[in-house]
Amino acid sequence: QVQLVQSGADVKQPGASMRVACKTSGYIFSNYGVTWVRQAPGQGLEWLGWINIQSGHRNYGHNFRGRVMFTADTSTDTAYMELTNLRSDDTAVYYCARDWEYNVDYWGQGTPVSVSS
Amino acid sequence: QTVVTQEPSLTVSPGGTVTLTCASSTGAVTSGSFVNWFQQKPGQTPRSLIYKTSNKHSWTPARFSGSLLGDKAALTLSPVQPEDEADYYCLFYYSNTWVFGGGTKLTVL
Repeated sequence: QVQLVQSGADVKQPGASMRVACKTSGYIFSNYGVTWVRQAPGQGLEWLGWINIQSGHRNYGHNFRGRVMFTADTSTDTAYMELTNLRSDDTAVYYCARDWEYNVDYWGQGTPVSVSS
Repeated sequence: QTVVTQEPSLTVSPGGTVTLTCASSTGAVTSGSFVNWFQQKPGQTPRSLIYKTSNKHSWTPARFSGSLLGDKAALTLSPVQPEDEADYYCLFYYSNTWVFGGGTKLTVL
């Protein structure tokens, strides 16, 4: 069965960088993309961007360009999201989700990240 | 930047029908907006319900349907069940990016 399993919760200081891993299984990793989404406490969902695993093409959300980067390791079927220069308002749960042809279907369990001094 | 607007909250009785909508600041929502709909219950991961406006996933209950309604996308639930109480989000595609709506809190009582 399709599964996306994310790395565990993290605590970061302002100005630091964070990286979330999204380990996939149950499907051909390179045939799909991975979308990244976050949700601040008590807030709605926010789209961070998307990576096409096969081509490596990426689209980043306007609010995150220059601070976020998506990568993928096809040897381990794992996608990664890195966010730099963290601020307190980056405190959120970060999600990965499988995506192809405008269809976002399976989600990871979420990774809570707290940014605090 | 594109703003996607949903009703902040709606209330419906069990067994009733409710329609949630998703509007864009860019103009009419069309099939080319490829709208997805998600359900999220408190403390849970979002669950995908609808993709490309009206297509259901294998796990989507039959009482959920997606459509275009005038210049908006719509998610209709009929008949509503108590377990449908949740937050619902639309995801709208425009100019190579996606934007989430602010979400609708659906109360069933």
